[in-house]
Formats: sequence, structure tokens, C-alpha cells
Amino acid sequence: NAGVTQTPKFQVLKTGQSMTLQCAQDMNHNSMYWYRQDPGMGLRLIYYSASEGTTDKGEVPNGYNVSRLNKREFSLRLESAAPSQTSVYFCASSEWDRVSYEQYFGPGTRLTVT
Amino acid sequence: AQRVTQPEKLLSVFKGAPVELKCNYSYSGSPELFWYVQYSRQRLQLLLRHISRESIKGFTADLNKGETSFHLKKPFAQEEDSAMYYCALHQGAQKLVFGQGTRLTINP
Repeated sequence: NAGVTQTPKFQVLKTGQSMTLQCAQDMNHNSMYWYRQDPGMGLRLIYYSASEGTTDKGEVPNGYNVSRLNKREFSLRLESAAPSQTSVYFCASSEWDRVSYEQYFGPGTRLTVT
Repeated sequence: AQRVTQPEKLLSVFKGAPVELKCNYSYSGSPELFWYVQYSRQRLQLLLRHISRESIKGFTADLNKGETSFHLKKPFAQEEDSAMYYCALHQGAQKLVFGQGTRLTINP
């Protein structure tokens, strides 16, 4: 099992450009998440999807959109990138494991917006 | 508001010394707390959760509801413990809120 995979690993964008970050999981999890990681601020939830066909805003959704394409895939789109969106982006998935929900993380995408 | 605070951004200790990474939370209900760890060039992964009352890699964490704390402890630090550590609180609907993280460095 690959677990949670993300593409691309690195990306440099100019202000105003758009891009989509891809995430897929092969663990048959219902819930998927997008976070951003910034120094001194920890991980902040951008959007999440509790199940296929549903998405909800997290703590910092402005400037982003998401699509839960199917149970496996959850993409994050930046329509018009801004320097403030320079960050490391993590995708995660989770499922109840009879004790609690453990989140499994992807390797991250390092995005720089100039 | 549900919040997790890790007061130390950086923590440096010598190998063999005790380690304590602090975590305080604010939550009105019965909290469910976790510690996640990110080793260099590895993914963020679950280290331990309070509900399991487990010891992983020599680390333990006790939930103290009176002090609203969930500090991570290890009696004798090892060099391979150097990593970024995040405390996290389950805030319902399968969502976690993370603290700011503490970068732990173990000096030889």
C-alpha cells in the first residue's frame, strides 16, 4: 500500500497563476483533509471531506477550493496564487480504528509563490 | 474556542537527559488528545494517543484535566528522538486542531 500520495512534491508559481494539488489514498478511508504547515503556526486545516461527495471549510479556506473526486482522491486548487500561500501542503486521510481516528499523512507539497 | 498551545518552539537536551514537551489545551468537553511526530525527511505520523494509555519509543503522555495539559515525556532522550512534535486535539467531526509544534534536538 502506498498510503497517501501527493503530487507534485515541489512547485513554484508566479502571483496570479493557478494550480491543483493532487492527493490520493488507497486505504479506503472516508475522511480526507488538506492542511498547510507554516513555521511557528503548526498545521492549519484548509478543507476537509468527511465522505465522498461532501466537503467543508476548515480554519483557513480563503483562496482555496477543493474537489472530492471519488473516495480515493481529494484535490486542492489555488485559483489565483498569492505570496501568502507559500507553504508546505499536506493531505491526510482517516478512518475509525476501534479506538479513535488516526490521521495518515502524505509526504507534502512545498509551494513557493513569487 | 478549542485551542492547543505548545509554548516551546525549540527544545534542546543532551542525550540521556529527561525530555518533556509541553502541551496545553482548551476544550469544553471530554478531550481526545494525540501526539504526532515528524522525523527529518519522513511523513507526519501518530506517536501516541491518550485514550490508549500507551508508551511508544519510551514516550508517555498523561492527560491532566485539572491543568488541561498533555505533556509528552521520556526519561532518557536518544539522538533518534530529534524531530518536530505536534500535540493535537480532536475537535469533533473527525477533525484535529494542532499546536504550533516543538522542534526537539537531542545533542550527543
